Amino acid sequence: EDQVTQSPEALRLQEGESSSLNCSYTVSGLRGLFWYRQDPGKGPEFLFTLYSAGEEKEKERLKATLTKKESFLHITAPKPEDSATYLCAVQPYTGGFKTIFGAGTRLFVKA
Amino acid sequence: DVKVTQSSRYLVKRTGEKVFLECVQDMDHENMFWYRQDPGLGLRLIYFSYDVKMKEKGDIPEGYSVSREKKERFSLILESASTNQTSMYLCASNTGSTNEKLFFGSGTQLSVL
Repeated sequence: EDQVTQSPEALRLQEGESSSLNCSYTVSGLRGLFWYRQDPGKGPEFLFTLYSAGEEKEKERLKATLTKKESFLHITAPKPEDSATYLCAVQPYTGGFKTIFGAGTRLFVKA
Repeated sequence: DVKVTQSSRYLVKRTGEKVFLECVQDMDHENMFWYRQDPGLGLRLIYFSYDVKMKEKGDIPEGYSVSREKKERFSLILESASTNQTSMYLCASNTGSTNEKLFFGSGTQLSVL
C-alpha cells in the first residue's frame, strides 16, 4: 500500500536554530515527491517537486533532498515567518492523477 | 497566478441536510480534486475529475458525490450530512500532465451539528 509518514508531528525551534523535517514513503514506483507549506486557515502552497534519488532543490532558507525511501526538508537559520505546517506528498506510478499526502509537520519558530 | 476559489469559508449545517460545496478555478485546468483534511490524518482524496462530466472515486467517497458540468467548476455534494463529515474541505486543480503540482483553494470548514 502506498504510504507517506512525516516526522516529527511538531517541531519547536528558536530563531536561527537549523533543523530537518523527515518524510518517509512507500510506493510501488515514484512519479514525483512534493513539499507544500500550509498556513493556518489557508490551503497548501507548493514548494518543491523532486523526481529521483539524489536530487536537491533550494528556495531561500529551505532545501529539499530525496533518497529512495525518504525526503528531508532542511531549514537553515529559520525565522518566525517560517512557522507553518509542512506537508509531504507523493505521486505513485499506479493510481493515475492521485497524490498521497502525509499528515504534516507543524513548525513553530520563536523569535 | 492560478486562482482556486471555494465559495464558503465556514459552513454550519444540521445532520441530514444536503450540502453543496462549490469550487471554481480560472486557469483552464483539466483536473480538479476534492480533499478533506483532519488533524493527524492529513489530506484524503474524496473524488477527482479529469474532464467535464468525468469523475473518479478517491480513497473515501462514501457519503459524497460530485458534479462537473463546466470545466472551471467542481461541486462536492453531501447527500445527507452526518457529524463525522465535520472537517476542512479543500479543492485543488492542476493541468492534465502527470508530475504536476496541485493548486489549492483556501478551504471550507464545515461543521455538522
